[in-house]
Amino acid sequence: EVQLVESGGGLVQPGRSLRLSCTASGFTFADYGMSWFRQAPGKGPEWVGFIRRQAYGGTTEYAASVKGRLTISRDDSKSIAYLQMNSLKTEDTAVYYCTRAPRDSSGAWYVDNWGQGTLVTVSS
Amino acid sequence: DIQMTQFPSSLSASVGDRVIITCRASQGISNKLVWFQQKPGKAPKSLIFAASSLQSGVPSKFSGSGSGTDFTLTISSLQPEDFATYYCQQYNSYPRTFGQGTKLEIK
Repeated sequence: EVQLVESGGGLVQPGRSLRLSCTASGFTFADYGMSWFRQAPGKGPEWVGFIRRQAYGGTTEYAASVKGRLTISRDDSKSIAYLQMNSLKTEDTAVYYCTRAPRDSSGAWYVDNWGQGTLVTVSS
Repeated sequence: DIQMTQFPSSLSASVGDRVIITCRASQGISNKLVWFQQKPGKAPKSLIFAASSLQSGVPSKFSGSGSGTDFTLTISSLQPEDFATYYCQQYNSYPRTFGQGTKLEIK
C-alpha cells in the first residue's frame, strides 16, 4: 500500500524557515517524481512544485508564488522528499500535501497518491 | 497560465441520482486532466487521470470524458459517501492549475 507521511509543520514567524519531510513507503520511491501542493484555509488546492526522478535529472519546477523561497529535494536512499521553506510569509499559511507523481503514457506527470497533509501557520 | 473553470460551483442531488460536473480550460490541454474528490478535513483523493482513465481502486461509477478544452466528470448512482467537493486540474503545462471546485450536496 502506498503511504506518504508528511511531517515538520507548525507555527513559525514571518521571515523564518521551516523544512517539511515526506516519508514514502509501499513503492519504489526512486521510480517516481514527487510533487507538493498546499491548501489555504477555506480555499482550493494550489500546486507548489515538483521534482523529477533522478533518471530524469532530479530537476525541479515551481509555482511563481514560491520560486526562490521554497525548494524541493529528495533522498532516494531514505525514500524522503523535502520542502525547504525560507522567508516565509503569512500567505504561506496552509496545509501542505506531498504527492506521488507518475507519468502517463505520453510522459507527462500527474498525481495519484496524496499524504494526509501537515499544517504550516505563519504568524507573529 | 491556463485557467480552469468548473461549473456548477455547487450542486444539490439525491441519493441514486446521476450528476455531471464540467471543467473548461482556457486553452487546449489535450487529455491532460485529472479529477479529485475532497471531503472536509481530508486530503484530496485522485479519481481520474488522462481525462478518462480511472485511478486504481476507484469505483466505475466515476467516469470522465473530454479532450482539448471541455471535460466532464460523471458520477452515477450517488451514495452518501459521494457528497464532497470535486476539483479538476490540468497537467499539460506549468504551473499546474485547478478549477475552483464543485461542492456536491445532498438534496
